[in-house]
Amino acid sequence: DAEITQSPRHKITETGRQVTLACHQTWNHNNMFWYRQDLGHGLRLIHYSYGVQDTNKGEVSDGYSVSRSNTEDLPLTLESAASSQTSVYFCASSESDRVDYTFGSGTRLTVV
Amino acid sequence: GESVGLHLPTLSVQEGDNSIINCAYSNSASDYFIWYKQESGKGPQFIIDIRSNMDKRQGQRVTVLLNKTVKHLSLQIAATQPGDSAVYFCAVPGVRQGAQKLVFGQGTRLTINP
Repeated sequence: DAEITQSPRHKITETGRQVTLACHQTWNHNNMFWYRQDLGHGLRLIHYSYGVQDTNKGEVSDGYSVSRSNTEDLPLTLESAASSQTSVYFCASSESDRVDYTFGSGTRLTVV
Repeated sequence: GESVGLHLPTLSVQEGDNSIINCAYSNSASDYFIWYKQESGKGPQFIIDIRSNMDKRQGQRVTVLLNKTVKHLSLQIAATQPGDSAVYFCAVPGVRQGAQKLVFGQGTRLTINP
């Protein structure tokens, strides 16, 4: 069965370190998204991609980057982790021209 | 840009009762709406959607109502069960250039009391 997987499920890192969160989908979806979820803020869009080599900034993109070298993967990199980036991160994907996303199970990141 | 708001951050109902979760949106041009359910420790899961050419859509024990006049939609869950305990989000796509990006409300946490 097709799926979308995130790894790791939990990560603790130190301030200033570079961290990469993985997202891999086997739905063959062109659209992929990264959201962060925080109490009081709901789900906020970090970056998104509509296809290979396409990346776009969302509403809270500062301090994050993504790359899309193939259809299946959209890794999220925190260039220099900050305590304000402690959050739960969700990856999602959808077919082109559709917004009924399929979400991964999330990565809980703690920056100490 | 679009914004989505929920009327209540938490809702508690007795098992077997019906529950109603409300959501308001800002952009009158929005033409598609989705409800997601998020259980503890999991990612949001699609429940039901509705297009703006409809006022009501029913699924299994769930009904979504859309009132375009006041830009309001609601999710009704019939005969609630313990497994319905979760956070429920409404979401709307951006319009024009943002059409494939979803904007989420902050969610309502539904608790089912035995």
